[in-house]
Amino acid sequence: EADIYQTPRYLVIGTGKKITLECSQTMGHDKMYWYQQDPGMELHLIHYSYGVNSTEKGDLSSESTVSRIRTEHFPLTLESARPSHTSQYLCASSEFTGRTQGEQFFGPGTRLTVL
Amino acid sequence: SQKIEQNSEALNIQEGKTATLTCNYTNYSPAYLQWYRQDPGRGPVFLLLIRENEKEKRKERLKVTFDTTLKQSLFHITASQPADSATYLCALENDYKLSFGAGTTVTVRA
Repeated sequence: EADIYQTPRYLVIGTGKKITLECSQTMGHDKMYWYQQDPGMELHLIHYSYGVNSTEKGDLSSESTVSRIRTEHFPLTLESARPSHTSQYLCASSEFTGRTQGEQFFGPGTRLTVL
Repeated sequence: SQKIEQNSEALNIQEGKTATLTCNYTNYSPAYLQWYRQDPGRGPVFLLLIRENEKEKRKERLKVTFDTTLKQSLFHITASQPADSATYLCALENDYKLSFGAGTTVTVRA
């Protein structure tokens, strides 16, 4: 069964705090992604990874950073959260099949509110 | 600049009717296009993939067409049910990644 987990589901924090959003998948997928989505808007790719020790910035500029030390784990870190970071963060994974990419499996998302 | 446009207004239809959603794109040359369903507060769920050399794809009550000349995909839900109420996203292959539209919200009335 395809499973991808995100924690926490909801987070309310004050400005200036450091936070890490967790994402894990049990499918052995090489490719993983982080998207940012505001209500009623499209998903914007902020980071992606082709495998262990591979990370790339996405199409939307972001002040966050990511790491990929293990295949199943792709955490996203904000060193100093600001109100402009308030959004829904979605993690996804897919098999790496070259340009003919298969479906992406999404986690439930983390809704972040920075006061 | 690159752009993906889906029906800007929400779609309200009667149960049993066919819902037709539009996805138009500009300045993309996608090798394939995908459709996802997203429920409130949840992550998107994959529905269908159609490649550039395919004109039509079906899965149960869903049908997708892909016209690379018109730069358009149509997504049909036939014999719609209240459980089909959700936001539907189109996503285009873009340099080995996906670019998503903002989605169209469909509400099916019983």
